[in-house]
Amino acid sequence: KAGVTQTPRYLIKTRGQQVTLSCSPISGHRSVSWYQQTPGQGLQFLFEYFSETQRNKGNFPGRFSGRQFSNSRSEMNVSTLELGDSALYLCASKWQTSNYGYTFGSGTRLTVV
Amino acid sequence: QQQVKQSPQSLIVQKGGISIINCAYENTAFDYFPWYQQFPGKGPALLIAIRPDVSEKKEGRFTISFNKSAKQFSLHIMDSQPGDSATYFCAAEQGNNDMRFGAGTRLTVKP
Repeated sequence: KAGVTQTPRYLIKTRGQQVTLSCSPISGHRSVSWYQQTPGQGLQFLFEYFSETQRNKGNFPGRFSGRQFSNSRSEMNVSTLELGDSALYLCASKWQTSNYGYTFGSGTRLTVV
Repeated sequence: QQQVKQSPQSLIVQKGGISIINCAYENTAFDYFPWYQQFPGKGPALLIAIRPDVSEKKEGRFTISFNKSAKQFSLHIMDSQPGDSATYFCAAEQGNNDMRFGAGTRLTVKP
């Protein structure tokens, strides 16, 4: 059974650019969440999608956006990149809507220079 | 945003010893409490989880102790091994809301 796949694994972008990260959840998982992980802030929730609808959103600026497709694959986009956006971005999926624990991907390491 | 407080930030244990990581939460509506283990270069992996109607859950060398009245829960790793060296996160979830994570504990098990 394939796990959660995130692409690309590494990215280097320049300030002001935009970036799109991709996540393919485990087959059958309809809930996809995105987290930002940094050494200082830990795991911070970005947003969650369920059946193509954003159901929950964290406290991030509007530069961070996402979407989910009918096959449950998800993308997140960050526009006008700032140095502080450098982080590991993790995607996680789960089968049911709650209480079943997430399966995380290995993440996309974004470096903004 | 953090509603789950985790301690200690780092922990060093001798091989064969017991590792204990503690978490406290504020929101009494949380109804699912997982622990995740993360190795460098990898995403967090679900280790063990408990629901508030149970006071203890054991899986192999890993045990969660849950104290609902104190709003605290802890992870115990018995007979700790160097391969257990990783970062551990506690978390809490309420229904369909997002999962909230503790700040993480970096565990080092010395041979």
